Amino acid sequence: KAGVTQTPRYLIKTRGQQVTLSCSPISGHRSVSWYQQTPGQGLQFLFEYFSETQRNKGNFPGRFSGRQFSNSRSEMNVSTLELGDSALYLCASSLERVRSYNEQFFGPGTRLTVL
Amino acid sequence: DAKTTQPNSMESNEEEPVHLPCNHSTISGTDYIHWYRQLPSQGPEYVIHGLTSNVNNRMASLAIAEDRKSSTLILHRATLRDAAVYYCILRDIGGSYIPTFGRGTSLIVHP
Repeated sequence: KAGVTQTPRYLIKTRGQQVTLSCSPISGHRSVSWYQQTPGQGLQFLFEYFSETQRNKGNFPGRFSGRQFSNSRSEMNVSTLELGDSALYLCASSLERVRSYNEQFFGPGTRLTVL
Repeated sequence: DAKTTQPNSMESNEEEPVHLPCNHSTISGTDYIHWYRQLPSQGPEYVIHGLTSNVNNRMASLAIAEDRKSSTLILHRATLRDAAVYYCILRDIGGSYIPTFGRGTSLIVHP
């Protein structure tokens, strides 16, 4: 079974631009979560999508948004990029909504650099 | 979410057992204990999880203290491939759950 795939793997943007990242979950998985990982803040939860609806959201500004399609694929958008948005963006999928007892499967991440 | 405390780094020799500790003194009765690891240049990878009883799988064992205020991830024979950052995470059974990863323990494995 193919794992979680993320595209693109690397991206360079300039301040003020916007960016869209894509995530394809494991086949049959209906929940997709997004995380931001930086050396300073570590791994931080952005949001979770399940059945095309945002179910949970971390503490990030409204410039960070996402959506999920009917085939469970998800996209994450960051508008008006800032230097501090440079990070590894990770997508994780799970069969059902993220709960205390189930595991998440992470993709390799998209490395975003904002100049 | 209840917090976890892990050592910043640990070292081991190849083919020796490794015991990675995690303290979670404010754990609630419904918190599951999860372990993930992140190899260099990869996304985190699920390792194991448990609630009260010790757990074993093909990757590792999880030993949970009787009072549940601490746990230990046991790698029975460390390999170079086990060099990674190991995260101990508590997951509450509640509905609006915000996954929280701490800083983790960086495991260095010497050949």
